[in-house]
Amino acid sequence: DAGVIQSPRHEVTEMGQEVTLRCKPISGHNSLFWYRQTMMRGLELLIYFNNNVPIDDSGMPEDRFSAKMPNASFSTLKIQPSEPRDSAVYFCASSSPINEQFFGPGTRLTVL
Amino acid sequence: AQKITQTQPGMFVQEKEAVTLDCTYDTSDPSYGLFWYKQPSSGEMIFLIYQGSYDQQNATEGRYSLNFQKARKSANLVISASQLGDSAMYFCAMREGQGGGFKTIFGAGTRLFVKA
Repeated sequence: DAGVIQSPRHEVTEMGQEVTLRCKPISGHNSLFWYRQTMMRGLELLIYFNNNVPIDDSGMPEDRFSAKMPNASFSTLKIQPSEPRDSAVYFCASSSPINEQFFGPGTRLTVL
Repeated sequence: AQKITQTQPGMFVQEKEAVTLDCTYDTSDPSYGLFWYKQPSSGEMIFLIYQGSYDQQNATEGRYSLNFQKARKSANLVISASQLGDSAMYFCAMREGQGGGFKTIFGAGTRLFVKA
């Protein structure tokens, strides 16, 4: 199994630009999680999906953030417009009903 | 409210010695799971060990064991025979409810330094 796949691995953009992060969960996993990690705030859960349905988006910081999961094998996290304080590592993780979360390699986002 | 507490921002251990990383949690749900993850400097999150709230025995995985004290609500990670490659950030996490589709909350982490 290829594990959780995230793209891009690194993204550098300018303030005000739209950023789209992508995630492909492990095949057969029905839950998908988006996290943000910063030195100041640690690892924060932004949103998670069960069977492609958003269950809890209380961690999404602002309306500038949105996430979708159009099918079981793909999810996106979009930031529009991006700001320097959005700079962080964004992780996607997936799990099946009986096991732990498997994390992707993360996307390191830098907003200038 | 903070539900996962890791009180040790940093820990040092001599190579080949054992080390305990502390984790306390708070929940009113009788069904929950506790996890430990390792994050080396390369940044990936690596699952280490899992303990279910109904498990009678402490979980073990190779050199990792989880000292689960339910009444104290603690789930400390014990690493035996530390190796240089164990130097990393370690996160304790809790999932309330059974199954993988529940919210998981992470602690602030403990950075472990293994000295040669």
